[in-house]
Amino acid sequence: DVKVTQSSRYLVKRTGEKVFLECVQDMDHENMFWYRQDPGLGLRLIYFSYDVKMKEKGDIPEGYSVSREKKERFSLILESASTNQTSMYLCASSRGGTSSYNEQFFGPGTRLTVL
Amino acid sequence: AQSVSQHNHHVILSEAASLELGCNYSYGGTVNLFWYVQYPGQHLQLLLKYFSGDPLVKGIKGFEAEFIKSKFSFNLRKPSVQWSDTAEYFCAGLTYNFNKFYFGSGTKLNVKP
Repeated sequence: DVKVTQSSRYLVKRTGEKVFLECVQDMDHENMFWYRQDPGLGLRLIYFSYDVKMKEKGDIPEGYSVSREKKERFSLILESASTNQTSMYLCASSRGGTSSYNEQFFGPGTRLTVL
Repeated sequence: AQSVSQHNHHVILSEAASLELGCNYSYGGTVNLFWYVQYPGQHLQLLLKYFSGDPLVKGIKGFEAEFIKSKFSFNLRKPSVQWSDTAEYFCAGLTYNFNKFYFGSGTKLNVKP
């Protein structure tokens, strides 16, 4: 089974803090993704990466950055956390290319609260 | 612009009722469509997917979806829901480069016992 793990299930931070969210997958997937999930808005893509050291902006990249130094690990960074970044953050991974196995596998999520 | 939309935001059904959740997509070309489910407190998991071939796709737990190209739709169905189907359901589509997903806003299903 594919496993996508996230470093924390719950996180509470203060406004202005730098926040790191870590995600690790164990299936040698090329693609990794960070989403935020908010009620009524579904999942919105923040950033994705299709290879080590490669990244592309998603739909809502403002206030976030990412790092992918190893294939299995994709980090989301909030440079200076703000209250409007309080949300559920989901990491996902998938195979690359045009394979029919491009379904995304999700981690359990990190519920971040910024006070 | 490529997008996926779900028009039912919250659905309440009694057990044994039939279910149909709507999903529409707005891009042409190669279409790859998915339904994911998120049970309370759990991570998203795949229900079913369509890439090509038979437009009627069967998934896990008795769910199925039908791809209707002329209507740009991929509606999720189940003939008889159970209380354990209470969850949030997300429709998603893959873009032409097969890497980026577009998710709908989700439909919360509440099944009354």
